[in-house]
Amino acid sequence: QQQVKQSPQSLIVQKGGISIINCAYENTAFDYFPWYQQFPGKGPALLIAIRPDVSEKKEGRFTISFNKSAKQFSLHIMDSQPGDSATYFCAASISGSQGNLIFGKGTKLSVKP
Amino acid sequence: DAGVTQSPTHLIKTRGQHVTLRCSPISGHKSVSWYQQVLGQGPQFIFQYYEKEERGRGNFPDRFSARQFPNYSSELNVNALLLGDSALYLCASSRTGDYGYTFGSGTRLTVV
Repeated sequence: QQQVKQSPQSLIVQKGGISIINCAYENTAFDYFPWYQQFPGKGPALLIAIRPDVSEKKEGRFTISFNKSAKQFSLHIMDSQPGDSATYFCAASISGSQGNLIFGKGTKLSVKP
Repeated sequence: DAGVTQSPTHLIKTRGQHVTLRCSPISGHKSVSWYQQVLGQGPQFIFQYYEKEERGRGNFPDRFSARQFPNYSSELNVNALLLGDSALYLCASSRTGDYGYTFGSGTRLTVV
């Protein structure tokens, strides 16, 4: 079953706090795991991505943690800011089919000032 | 550099009609994918094209078709529109069909 399960559906965090969004997958053929950020009225924008040979990747305030044995990966947003308020999607794809991204249902993040 | 551009931005159609959505990828990008995003859901894959060849097709009825032109722009066509086709249609492009797809802002289609 090619499915990516994302949680929570919504998240409220205080400014300066850590936002954590989790995703789980079943298909072990997935080998590329990006996170996208989407603002209302806009298309998704690539934030950060990871391959399964790496357990963690950090870019600025954004970190992906990847647990291959548990088939889970998560996005951590450090020092969350009101400007981070958006919907976040995890996704996965299979080598050779990278144009076919399987998306989670999204997490709506609100960062309170 | 211009990003992925889609036209039109908004569209209202009547049930049973046909619609054509257009996408211009980032200059130098040869792969285009189309997605449907229903309100409150993640995008769902419809088609991928690379060098004018169909590389993948999602679980959508034959009413949906697409093509890619020699300049790598693409069209998504939907026939016999249903109310359930109302959604944001997103186009994404990549240089080689590999990773790092960049999305456009989409076309909001409303079927009445």
